[in-house]
Amino acid sequence: AQSVTQLGSHVSVSEGALVLLRCNYSSSVPPYLFWYVQYPNQGLQLLLKYTSAATLVKGINGFEAEFKKSETSFHLTKPSAHMSDAAEYFCAVSELQGAQKLVFGQGTRLTINP
Amino acid sequence: DAGITQSPRHKVTETGTPVTLRCHQTENHRYMYWYRQDPGHGLRLIHYSYGVKDTDKGEVSDGYSVSRSKTEDFLLTLESATSSQTSVYFCAIRDAYNEQFFGPGTRLTVL
Repeated sequence: AQSVTQLGSHVSVSEGALVLLRCNYSSSVPPYLFWYVQYPNQGLQLLLKYTSAATLVKGINGFEAEFKKSETSFHLTKPSAHMSDAAEYFCAVSELQGAQKLVFGQGTRLTINP
Repeated sequence: DAGITQSPRHKVTETGTPVTLRCHQTENHRYMYWYRQDPGHGLRLIHYSYGVKDTDKGEVSDGYSVSRSKTEDFLLTLESATSSQTSVYFCAIRDAYNEQFFGPGTRLTVL
């Protein structure tokens, strides 16, 4: 069965600093991987996805993530944090075929300090 | 905008009462999903549908049923609500690029 672990339920960085949110997955075969962002009282918005085309994936709002098969990781980064990045971030994995049900990590709340 | 609406957006109900949540899409996608979000658990799949009258269970399906009589509507029913079903419920659709887009959510409180 697939699973996702997000290291750190809460991450705090200063405005302008590097953002690094960690995600490790477990899957018998390389899966699809996703990062979603959720702003308060809203639904989830897709930031980026990995579908085996390229290991470094660029998404919206300046975020990117690198797929590392040897480490079973898909960490999310942004070079310079902005106050508007404060939100909750979810990593998710899905199978390649069939229903492609998403399995989510528990989420990481990102706080930006001025 | 993926064209997904959920109704109601907020509901407070009492233990033992039936509750139905509706998800409506405007874009004719085949796959639709219901998830629940709880602190510390992320989102967990309740049920999903892969076509009209075609549904299957997810990870946390006990106490829930679903129906899909039209492509655009996917209903989630709690036959007899319990306090453990207090949660935020999200509907999602999957597009042709295998990306899932989420509705705005329904906050359900069971007293």
